[in-house]
Amino acid sequence: SQTIHQWPATLVQPVGSPLSLECTVEGTSNPNLYWYRQAAGRGLQLLFYSVGIGQISSEVPQNLSASRPQDRQFILSSKKLLLSDSGFYLCAWSVRSRDQPQHFGDGTRLSIL
Amino acid sequence: AQTVTQSQPEMSVQEAETVTLSCTYDTSESDYYLFWYKQPPSRQMILVIRQEAYKQQNATENRFSVNFQKAAKSFSLKISDSQLGDAAMYFCAYVGTSGSRLTFGEGTQLTVNP
Repeated sequence: SQTIHQWPATLVQPVGSPLSLECTVEGTSNPNLYWYRQAAGRGLQLLFYSVGIGQISSEVPQNLSASRPQDRQFILSSKKLLLSDSGFYLCAWSVRSRDQPQHFGDGTRLSIL
Repeated sequence: AQTVTQSQPEMSVQEAETVTLSCTYDTSESDYYLFWYKQPPSRQMILVIRQEAYKQQNATENRFSVNFQKAAKSFSLKISDSQLGDAAMYFCAYVGTSGSRLTFGEGTQLTVNP
């Protein structure tokens, strides 16, 4: 069966520090991968999605970036965090068929001090 | 661009009763898929139910069913025999011909009262 791992679960970082959140998927090949951000009590904002290694689409201009160095690995990064980067970050995967749902990781709660 | 609107930020229901959560969407496409996701306090996103736009029959999953009105672009979720474990934030989501992007509504926070 397929599983998705996302870590860390919680992260507290100072303003201006770098960020690296990692997401890996097991049990499937060539998945679509996604990064979302969720503000408290709000909906999900799609940040990045990838349909293959090295293929990244950015949905929202910001100081975040994403990379997909391996088929089932998706990394969210920043060189310098801002206070506004605080939030709950979710990674998701789906098969390459739009009738299939996305499956989400457990999320990372990021607090910027 | 497609948009998804959930007009009820909060809803409450008594245990064992029925509640309906509203969702409307705006699209010019005729072929698309709609989903309801549940996010409990643990913040995991859990798929509740899925509807194909080309199917007239409303999807059903145990106590969860949808009322899909394609002409009205409405996709409501009905929860029957509500249980305490149904308390969560519920999100309606749309995917169109792009195939890669889910558009989410802002969510409805459901409280189940014992």
